[in-house]
Amino acid sequence: NAGVMQNPRHLVRRRGQEARLRCSPMKGHSHVYWYRQLPEEGLKFMVYLQKENIIDESGMPKERFSAEFPKEGPSILRIQQVVRGDSAAYFCASSPMAGGLNTEAFFGQGTRLTVV
Amino acid sequence: KNEVEQSPQNLTAQEGEFITINCSYSVGISALHWLQQHPGGGIVSLFMLSSGKKKHGRLIATINIQEKHSSLHITASHPRDSAVYICAVLETSGSRLTFGEGTQLTVNP
Repeated sequence: NAGVMQNPRHLVRRRGQEARLRCSPMKGHSHVYWYRQLPEEGLKFMVYLQKENIIDESGMPKERFSAEFPKEGPSILRIQQVVRGDSAAYFCASSPMAGGLNTEAFFGQGTRLTVV
Repeated sequence: KNEVEQSPQNLTAQEGEFITINCSYSVGISALHWLQQHPGGGIVSLFMLSSGKKKHGRLIATINIQEKHSSLHITASHPRDSAVYICAVLETSGSRLTFGEGTQLTVNP
């Protein structure tokens, strides 16, 4: 049973380009969470999704950021028109259908985005 | 003031020492997680606690709900324990994790 898979592991984008980060949850998990870790800072919640639904996006910047978790395929975090301040590590976590994060949290390896 | 405070921020120990990392929080929670992050690496869940104490190998985690405090202990520390240890709480009112700033642990041989 593969763990939470994120790709790419490293992503370099020029200012103004789009970044697409993918997260495949563990098999059987239907809850996905995205977190951002800015350089020298702690992790911050961005968005919580279930299949085809955004449950809580209160941590997402109001502009340029969007997330989806379609019925089929991975969850996607999209950043449009990237700026240098978007450079960070983006982590995805998943949890089983029952209990959410009251059960063990499973994290991916992260995508390290560098905007040049 | 952060909702989750960890201490110390940095900790250097000699191999074999007993290590304690503390976490205090100011919100009502339904669960607390201890996580480990190696440089450039992913995040590994060590423990999820809602009460009492858990042990896994040389790692022990405790939580006192009334005092809103948790500790992570490492016995017989080893250089491979060097990592950032992060405390994260799941608030009773929500679905998100709120994280401490992390404790950078370095264990020297």
